[in-house]
Amino acid sequence: AQTVTQSQPEMSVQEAETVTLSCTYDTSENNYYLFWYKQPPSRQMILVIRQEAYKQQNATENRFSVNFQKAAKSFSLKISDSQLGDTAMYFCAFMKPNDYKLSFGAGTTVTVRA
Amino acid sequence: SAVISQKPSRDICQRGTSLTIQCQVDSQVTMMFWYRQQPGQSLTLIATANQGSEATYESGFVIDKFPISRPNLTFSTLTVSNMSPEDSSIYLCSASPLAGDNNEQFFGPGTRLTVL
Repeated sequence: AQTVTQSQPEMSVQEAETVTLSCTYDTSENNYYLFWYKQPPSRQMILVIRQEAYKQQNATENRFSVNFQKAAKSFSLKISDSQLGDTAMYFCAFMKPNDYKLSFGAGTTVTVRA
Repeated sequence: SAVISQKPSRDICQRGTSLTIQCQVDSQVTMMFWYRQQPGQSLTLIATANQGSEATYESGFVIDKFPISRPNLTFSTLTVSNMSPEDSSIYLCSASPLAGDNNEQFFGPGTRLTVL
């Protein structure tokens, strides 16, 4: 099984500020997929952003962007212009190609303060 | 995309009983999965629900404890058998609509199970 590590259990950010969540992973695969999922208090898991390992360009989705460092096996998520609705638990996840099974990190609870 | 519903949304059960959780997808999907999430914790994959064949279980999970059915491409059930308080968790169903390069998984809202 792949190991996904999120070393920040909790983070707090002021509304409109930027916060960066860290994620590292361990794999011997050359090609794979990485994801960030958001789970608000409602429990609904929502895909925030995905990155294919064979793509060098970092993925961006509106206020969410990633810093993918393949050699370092690092996949951090930056939330810009934080909004109160961003308050949630964020999970980093890894998937091998043609496997479709997700390995999740422990999660980071993000609280956006008004 | 896929919209996934689960029933029940929550339940409180007595130890020694069994509970069956239903997962319904609004479109045909290739892959369906069941995860367990203990309160405040991460998600752990229980098994892959295979259409027309036995589910594939991850290490630490067995069919006798977590029997799974998948009679068609839009529906699956997970049964938690002979429950104990340690089974108290959120159980989530997920689905991946397409094979190939699009590996996005969609999740149901989860079933919160409390075992007394």
